[in-house]
Amino acid sequence: AQSVTQPDIHITVSEGASLELRCNYSYGATPYLFWYVQSPGQGLQLLLKYFSGDTLVQGIKGFEAEFKRSQSSFNLRKPSVHWSDAAEYFCAVNYGGATNKLIFGTGTLLAVQP
Amino acid sequence: DTEVTQTPKHLVMGMTNKKSLKCEQHMGHRAMYWYKQKAKKPPELMFVYSYEKLSINESVPSRFSPECPNSSLLNLHLHALQPEDSALYLCASSQDAVGYTFGSGTRLTVV
Repeated sequence: AQSVTQPDIHITVSEGASLELRCNYSYGATPYLFWYVQSPGQGLQLLLKYFSGDTLVQGIKGFEAEFKRSQSSFNLRKPSVHWSDAAEYFCAVNYGGATNKLIFGTGTLLAVQP
Repeated sequence: DTEVTQTPKHLVMGMTNKKSLKCEQHMGHRAMYWYKQKAKKPPELMFVYSYEKLSINESVPSRFSPECPNSSLLNLHLHALQPEDSALYLCASSQDAVGYTFGSGTRLTVV
């Protein structure tokens, strides 16, 4: 079955520290891959996406993600976290086809300590 | 215009009420979606419309009734909802597999 896994439910980092959020996808074919961020009570904001080409993708707010086919992973990174980065982060996949169904992971809640 | 607009932003309704959520996009996207998001959970797909035709219904109860009157507009009609239906309802549109745009959502409370 098509699925996406975010192993870490909750992560706490100190402000200024580096961050890596994990995402793994199932299924044989390479899907289209996305990272979204959601602040409390807000909608979803797209951070970055991958569909082909360079496996290191740059996004907004200083985030980047690397697609690793051998590990079926698409981990999100940021070299130095800011307090305003505290939010829920969702990895999502789309395996294409006629319906373009976007499937979300369970999310990782990021807390930032001063 | 590169936005998906959802109205209302907040809605409180009784279990016997009938209400509708509205979603509008003017990007020429061919597909439109309704997602439901409970607190501290990921968005869950409810319906997909492709070229104004319903292509996916994820076994959603009939008290939720989608409608796509034209290529720019998507409605979600609500009737006889339960308190557990309280959630954030997100609309999205896309032209292809990578070009999704989400609205800011309607926060629904059923009392």
